[in-house]
Amino acid sequence: NAGVMQNPRHLVRRRGQEARLRCSPMKGHSHVYWYRQLPEEGLKFMVYLQKENIIDESGMPKERFSAEFPKEGPSILRIQQVVRGDSAAYFCASSYLDRGGEQYFGPGTRLTVT
Amino acid sequence: GESVGLHLPTLSVQEGDNSIINCAYSNSASDYFIWYKQESGKGPQFIIDIRSNMDKRQGQRVTVLLNKTVKHLSLQIAATQPGDSAVYFCAENIYNDYKLSFGAGTTVTVRA
Repeated sequence: NAGVMQNPRHLVRRRGQEARLRCSPMKGHSHVYWYRQLPEEGLKFMVYLQKENIIDESGMPKERFSAEFPKEGPSILRIQQVVRGDSAAYFCASSYLDRGGEQYFGPGTRLTVT
Repeated sequence: GESVGLHLPTLSVQEGDNSIINCAYSNSASDYFIWYKQESGKGPQFIIDIRSNMDKRQGQRVTVLLNKTVKHLSLQIAATQPGDSAVYFCAENIYNDYKLSFGAGTTVTVRA
């Protein structure tokens, strides 16, 4: 049973470009969460999605950031017009139930903005 | 070796010794706590959890202690091994809620 998969693992973008991060949850999991980890810091909650629904996006910046979890396919975190401050590791987690303790984390995507 | 709060982000420990990693949490409403291990280039991996109706829980070579009075959590690793070298995070949660709040982490380095 494959775990949470994220791709790409590393992504380099120039300022002003778009970054698309993908997350495939564990089989049977319908809850997806995105977290951001800045260097030397802990993970910070960004957004929680279920299939075709954004449940909580309180941790996501209002501008340039968006997330989706379509009926078919992976969850996508999209960052438009990236800036250097967006450089971070972005982790996706999934769960069967919507409980913090049930979340399994993927390996992350490390975004570098040059 | 022992780390104190979130202000000592690194811990160096001799192989075979016990490690103690400390964490101060902030939300009085939190009633569920998890310790994660994050190895370089990987995502957080669940180690052990504890609910607020307990003050101690043991796993394989690990023990978590919870002091709700001072909002303090610790992770003890017995007979630390080279494979224990990683960053350790505590996370707090309101049980049955989905949102995890992570501390800044402690980097543990095991000396041979």
